[in-house]
Amino acid sequence: EAQVTQNPRYLITVTGKKLTVTCSQNMNHEYMSWYRQDPGLGLRQIYYSMNVEVTDKGDVPEGYKVSRKEKRNFPLILESPSPNQTSLYFCASSFSNSPLHFGNGTRLTVT
Amino acid sequence: EDQVTQSPEALRLQEGESSSLNCSYTVSGLRGLFWYRQDPGKGPEFLFTLYSAGEEKEKERLKATLTKKESFLHITAPKPEDSATYLCAVQGEYGNKLVFGAGTILRVKS
Repeated sequence: EAQVTQNPRYLITVTGKKLTVTCSQNMNHEYMSWYRQDPGLGLRQIYYSMNVEVTDKGDVPEGYKVSRKEKRNFPLILESPSPNQTSLYFCASSFSNSPLHFGNGTRLTVT
Repeated sequence: EDQVTQSPEALRLQEGESSSLNCSYTVSGLRGLFWYRQDPGKGPEFLFTLYSAGEEKEKERLKATLTKKESFLHITAPKPEDSATYLCAVQGEYGNKLVFGAGTILRVKS
């Protein structure tokens, strides 16, 4: 089944404790992206990757890191999480100029 | 800066009561306007892409239309299973991202 898989689905952590949210897709998509979704603000892009070893900042990159060492994987790293990074995170992938396929989200709470 | 505004924020309909959702946008060089459906606890699911003013697309009870400033998602004779959040997004000339609106929460009661 074609899908974008994120793990974990739920995560509660404390301020400053490094964490990684994994994202994997099995559709051989070149493009991958991370979004965060907050009430009233919609989905906002954090980082994106056009292909392996090619990443760039989106609209809200502060406090996040990404890497794209393999085509299928695009992990999101929070080196020192803060409460304002409490949010619902989505990974998405696509071929160029095609609709995005989204994962089912990771709900992160930072206390 | 590309922007998308959706209205209303929330909409309650009776089963069978047709209505429309609005998506107003400003974008530099529209490459595509996208409609997604999002169910609670799930990621957005793709519905339609519209590329140019005057274009229309249909899928079951949904019909999306596009002008140079806005898009409408028309829902004809909705059913309770149409309840979801509907998201609109635009892709501008640089094509590196989608800019999303905040969404319209639709509730259809039987």
